[in-house]
Amino acid sequence: QKEVEQNSGPLSVPEGAIASLNCTYSDRVSQSFFWYRQYSGKSPELIMSIYSNGDKEDGRFTAQLNKASQYVSLLIRDSQPSDSATYLCAVKRSGYSTLTFGKGTMLLVSP
Amino acid sequence: GAGVSQTPSNKVTEKGKYVELRCDPISGHTALYWYRQSLGQGPEFLIYFQGTGAADDSGLPNDRFFAVRPEGSVSTLKIQRTERGDSAVYLCASSPGQGASSGANVLTFGAGSRLTVL
Repeated sequence: QKEVEQNSGPLSVPEGAIASLNCTYSDRVSQSFFWYRQYSGKSPELIMSIYSNGDKEDGRFTAQLNKASQYVSLLIRDSQPSDSATYLCAVKRSGYSTLTFGKGTMLLVSP
Repeated sequence: GAGVSQTPSNKVTEKGKYVELRCDPISGHTALYWYRQSLGQGPEFLIYFQGTGAADDSGLPNDRFFAVRPEGSVSTLKIQRTERGDSAVYLCASSPGQGASSGANVLTFGAGSRLTVL
């Protein structure tokens, strides 16, 4: 089982819809969780970080964490074509100082 | 500097050659990371520095790969006897490091160095 799993997609949504991106992780004692956005040919940029169970909202983005289910998600409300990118889930495992990334989910928002 | 700077942005080399990739982290960031990203994959961890020392080099694939950070700032990733399978984008990231707040592990990436081994 991979440490961080994401559906590779693509996930296609129409403009204005809610995009839901999901991630599961294998290490139960993982501490910190991050969502990075990566445009084609560019480097990853941080969108959200979440450290405790529940929801965390920042503008159109909401990160959700459920440690019991080892599940973290990213919701993008009012999706825009400019949101089209690959979204990488990253996890900091207990005892490690580095992040482990999933393969990423490609999101396509059509006008 | 204002961001993480990586040079060269593109490097084409022949199989068997030696390559150096340079990373200049955000000023004041004590933690520096090297990742490698192949097409369609997420970043794969290579090595992590805290200050001048390699705190975790468990991701280096073999002894052809080596990295240094002699003064705790700029880092160089060195690849000997390059192979076609080394072709990838090599990403450098930095973070404030240990002792900082919850942002200690928030990585800021550079633009990457695309390595092509012919």
